[in-house]
Amino acid sequence: GAGVSQTPSNKVTEKGKYVELRCDPISGHTALYWYRQSLGQGPEFLIYFQGTGAADDSGLPNDRFFAVRPEGSVSTLKIQRTERGDSAVYLCASSPRGLAGKETQYFGPGTRLLVL
Amino acid sequence: ELKVEQNPLFLSMQEGKNYTIYCNYSTTSDRLYWYRQDPGKSLESLFVLLSNGAVKQEGRLMASLDTKARLSTLHITAAVHDLSATYFCAVDLTNSNYQLIWGAGTKLIIKP
Repeated sequence: GAGVSQTPSNKVTEKGKYVELRCDPISGHTALYWYRQSLGQGPEFLIYFQGTGAADDSGLPNDRFFAVRPEGSVSTLKIQRTERGDSAVYLCASSPRGLAGKETQYFGPGTRLLVL
Repeated sequence: ELKVEQNPLFLSMQEGKNYTIYCNYSTTSDRLYWYRQDPGKSLESLFVLLSNGAVKQEGRLMASLDTKARLSTLHITAAVHDLSATYFCAVDLTNSNYQLIWGAGTKLIIKP
């Protein structure tokens, strides 16, 4: 079946602008995760959704970052007043049950964000 | 604080050779994952290691876990060009069902 998809694949914006990044998880997966990956680094946890609710947003770097998952499926990561330091690849992952048990996370291809 | 260190960070090798990538972590953990990432592609799950002494093999790749030493290895046997990728290990926080702490990745280039 279809894997995790993310759009856009690339996004170039100017400093100070607002951006939205979209994640479509694997159908039926309850848990959804956002990560950020800088060049030469491993992914860094941002936020975790169990269903519609953000169960853990402790990885969000500051209040410019916000994510929603209103119907428990598609999620949008929103970044306000973008800064050059926000440039990175934003990865989304999903897993079948999340809190119900430790399980493998399935990743999307990522959105490469460049803030000029 | 849980830290995960991989070495080497970069490895260039010839086809047909064997090599090992190492993943050290700083505190106790319930499980360890190995992922592969091709340029511009998703992270692909390779192995999940659940207990001390666990060994898993898939093709030319074999992963093992020593929880006492807090060390996992990913061994490549008779490397082929198709195995060129970046390999990440990730360790979960013991009291969390979802938080993974990742190594920086090992970029592996296998020359024909």
